[in-house]
This record gives sequence, structure tokens and C-alpha cells, in this order.
Amino acid sequence: DIVMTQAPLSVSVTPGESASISCRSSKSLLQSNGITYVYWYLQKPGKSPQVLIYRMSSLASGVPDRLSGSGSETDFSLKISRVEAEDVGIYYCGQLLENPYTFGAGTKLELK
Amino acid sequence: EVQLVETGGGLVQPGKSLKLTCATSGFAFSSAWMDWVRQSPEKQLEWVAQIKDKSNNYATYYAESVKGRFTISRDDSKSSVYLQMNSLKEEDTAIYYCTDIGTTDYWGQGVMVTVSS
Repeated sequence: DIVMTQAPLSVSVTPGESASISCRSSKSLLQSNGITYVYWYLQKPGKSPQVLIYRMSSLASGVPDRLSGSGSETDFSLKISRVEAEDVGIYYCGQLLENPYTFGAGTKLELK
Repeated sequence: EVQLVETGGGLVQPGKSLKLTCATSGFAFSSAWMDWVRQSPEKQLEWVAQIKDKSNNYATYYAESVKGRFTISRDDSKSSVYLQMNSLKEEDTAIYYCTDIGTTDYWGQGVMVTVSS
């Protein structure tokens, strides 16, 4: 199975500042079609996970452009600019390249 | 409006069975690949099972941790997907979500399953 390793496990951010979350996969997530199958999800308190970024760098519908995803074949990052109260929650990276799909342990973002 | 509503959860003893239902509406269910993903009390997400659509012969896939015990199925006439869970173990305790993860990424609100004596 592909192992997804996230860091840090928690981050405390001052509103208006930026935050960055890293994720590393144990295998390349770049498929021969040129698509990199890493996804980013946010789970707000008491809610279901919601997709933020799909295929490494595409912004999901309704997600503010303060968020962005980037990376290579095995190293990925999610950047949140100008952090707001609505960004609080647990962020997960996940690989959807192959079954079994696997996820990172999550990064809890809170406000200072 | 898109809706995915999971039902059927609850408290069950180890070794017993439970069947989850996910009733959907508002999107093209018959062509969607549907998955069950669970979240442990420690908040770890774990993919559980997937069922593809008719054009892919309703192929199914399972996590090793549930293979042979869980069965995913679907009824396109009811826009519903199911998860039959047999021989339940305490480590199956989790919130179970149905989702078309990786496509439009709709998620239900989740249903709690607690396996305990």
C-alpha cells in the first residue's frame, strides 16, 4: 500500500498569516496520463471531509483561491494564505492513484 | 441539491453483522463509482470499499482489513449503495461515510458504528 506521511501534525496560525502543510508519498503518484493523483481534504469540526484540491493543484469548486496545492511526484504541499477562522479543522492528504486509497494522518490547524 | 444519507449504524457486539445504506439523490448515481470510507475515533481516515458502475461490470474492491467480511453492493434503481458488514471486530468501530471520492467528491454526513461487548 502507498504510505502518505503528513507534517506537521498540528499548526497554530495567527489570522492573516500563512500556513503550509506537507505530504510525502511512498510511491510516485504521477500516472502515465500526466495527472498526479494527490488530493487534499478539510474536515471542519463536526462535519464530513470536503475536497479542497484535486489532482495535486486543481482548486475544487467553491474553494477560495487563498488555497493552493503544488508538488512533484512524491512530495506535495498545501498552502493557505491569509488564514481565516473558516480554515480551522483537520487537513488530510490522500492518494487516489490506486486501490487501496490511502490518507495521511491529518494536520490540525488552529488559530492563535 | 445533492444528498447522500447513510443509515443503519449503531452498537453491535463483536462477531455480529450490520448493514449500512447510503441513499443518494441529485447526481448521476448510475454512472458513479461509489466508495465507503471510515474514520476511526482517532480521526484516521481509511478507505474501505469501492463499487464501479454497470459499464465496468460493477467491479468491487476492498481494503485488506475488511476483505472476506464486508460486501459492497448497489441498486441503481434506488440510487443507493450498501455495505454489508459481517464478523464485526472492535477495530471496525468508526464513522462510515459513503462518497464518490475522486470524481465530484460528494460525501454523506456519516453514520457511527460501534463494535463493543
